[in-house]
Amino acid sequence: DGGITQSPKYLFRKEGQNVTLSCEQNLNHDAMYWYRQDPGQGLRLIYYSQIVNDFQKGDIAEGYSVSREKKESFPLTVTSAQKNPTAFYLCASSIGGLLGEQFFGPGTRLTVL
Amino acid sequence: DQQVKQNSPSLSVQEGRISILNCDYTNSMFDYFLWYKKYPAEGPTFLISISSIKDKNEDGRFTVFLNKSAKHLSLHIVPSQPGDSAVYFCAASARGGATNKLIFGTGTLLAVQP
Repeated sequence: DGGITQSPKYLFRKEGQNVTLSCEQNLNHDAMYWYRQDPGQGLRLIYYSQIVNDFQKGDIAEGYSVSREKKESFPLTVTSAQKNPTAFYLCASSIGGLLGEQFFGPGTRLTVL
Repeated sequence: DQQVKQNSPSLSVQEGRISILNCDYTNSMFDYFLWYKKYPAEGPTFLISISSIKDKNEDGRFTVFLNKSAKHLSLHIVPSQPGDSAVYFCAASARGGATNKLIFGTGTLLAVQP
């Protein structure tokens, strides 16, 4: 069964702590993306990666970091520098280049206490 | 600056009737448009897309219309079913650019009443 998995589904952290959200895909897609969704807002792009060992900042990258050491994996770290980290985080992947729609994982709800 | 706008936060229709969801965009470089459907606490699922070389694309009960001169697209669902109740996001990209970045609207919550 091909798809995108995100873990965990719900995550709680204390203010001031870093936390890493997992995203794995077995679709053999080159490109991967991280978005966050806040109530009443659309999806906003945090980081994206077109190929292994390369990634670019999206529209709201401050306070986040990523790595892309393997094609299948694109973990997102929410650092203590992110001022408002409580949100629903979505990972997506696409074949890459200029073609193909993005496929999304089930999301991780992060709550900062 | 919101480049993709969905001005109706919510829409309620009766089962069996037509649902029309609207989306406006400002960037004339956008040439590929998509609709996604999202249930609460789940990731969006791709519904239908349209390239700027077309003005209509149909897939079963779903039809997307594109009016380039008005920078407007709409999603028609006929007939609407209770299972269609979800948030619908419009998204756009400029495929002539270097990446496949999608710009999303804020979504419209569709409620289909039995």
